[in-house]
Order: sequence, then structure tokens, then C-alpha cells
Amino acid sequence: AQSVTQLGSHVSVSEGALVLLRCNYSSSVPPYLFWYVQYPNQGLQLLLKYTSAATLVKGINGFEAEFKKSETSFHLTKPSAHMSDAAEYFCAVSEGRGDKIIFGKGTRLHILP
Amino acid sequence: EAGVTQSPTHLIKTRGQQATLRCSPISGHTSVYWYQQALGLGLQFLLWYDEGEERNRGNFPPRFSGRQFPNYSSELNVNALELDDSALYLCASRYTGTGKGYTFGSGTRLTVV
Repeated sequence: AQSVTQLGSHVSVSEGALVLLRCNYSSSVPPYLFWYVQYPNQGLQLLLKYTSAATLVKGINGFEAEFKKSETSFHLTKPSAHMSDAAEYFCAVSEGRGDKIIFGKGTRLHILP
Repeated sequence: EAGVTQSPTHLIKTRGQQATLRCSPISGHTSVYWYQQALGLGLQFLLWYDEGEERNRGNFPPRFSGRQFPNYSSELNVNALELDDSALYLCASRYTGTGKGYTFGSGTRLTVV
């Protein structure tokens, strides 16, 4: 069964600094991987997805993630943090095109002025 | 295009009562997924409906049930409400059999008192 581990339930970075949110997955087949963002009192919005094409995936709002099979990782990065990036971020995995998506427990990103 | 819509936005029920939550997927999406987001527990997969059939079910008791209608909208029913059922319930939809991510609604906040 697939699973996702997000390292760090809270991450704080200064405005303008690099954002790095860590995600490791477990899957018995080549996975589909996703990052979602959730702002307070809202649903989740898809940031980016990996579906076995390019290993470096670019998403919205300047975020990107790199699929590393050898490390079973799919870390999310952004070169320069903005105050508006403060939110909760979820890494997720699916084992098939039609399969359910399993989410990590989330990482709350805090941006320091 | 209209997004995934959920109703009601907020719902307050008394322990032991029944709650009914509704979801309308994006036009053309045939798969609907339900998740529970309780404080501190992340997103827990509840149910997956596709073409009117229940395709998969998470680790929840039978008092959590639902259905999908011919127009692909869906209903989640929670019977014999318990205090721990208080959570944000999120509905998501996508095209069946694609590697695309879900599109989420904004959720229904269920409070059991």
C-alpha cells in the first residue's frame, strides 16, 4: 500500500529565503505524486503533479518539485518565499490513474518578515 | 468552468443525529472522492464513487455511507454522530482513469455538539 511521509509538521522561513518542504513516499508501483496547498478555511489547490514524465516538475506560484526514485522523494522547493506562501502543504501519492490519492499529514509553512 | 461545490458550508448537529453533506463535481468529472480532515489527523480517505458505484472505501465504520447520483453529484451521510466526527469534510472530483490530480471543493465544516 502506498504512503507518504512529510518531514516537519511546521517549517519557518524568512521572506525571500529558499523554501524546502520534504516528502518521501512508499509505493509498490511507479507512483503519481502531487503537492497541494491549503489556505485557511479553504479546500486544497493542486500545486503540481508528477506522472512519469519529466522528473523536475514546475507548478504554480513559482514552486517546483523533483522526483528522485533512488531516494523515494518528491521535495517541494521555491527559490524565494513570499508572505502569501504561508499555508499548509500536502504531499500525496496515487498508485494508478484512477486510484485514490493518499495524503501526507501536511506541513504548515510560516513566513517570517 | 464552475468548480466543485459543496453544501452546506457549515453544519451543526447534536450527538446521535444524522448529517447529510452534498457535493457537485466539475462538469464532465465522473469520479467523486470524500475525505475527512479532522484536527491533527490530516486528510483521511473516506469514499470513492465512480459512475454511480462505490469503488473504494477507507477505514471508517459503516455509519459513514454515501451515494452517487446519475448526474455524478454525490451525498455523504453520517449516522449516529459522535463528537469525534467533527471535522472538515472535503469532496473532490476528477476524470476517471486519468493521472490528473483532484479538484477539491471548499468543504463542509461539521460540528457535533
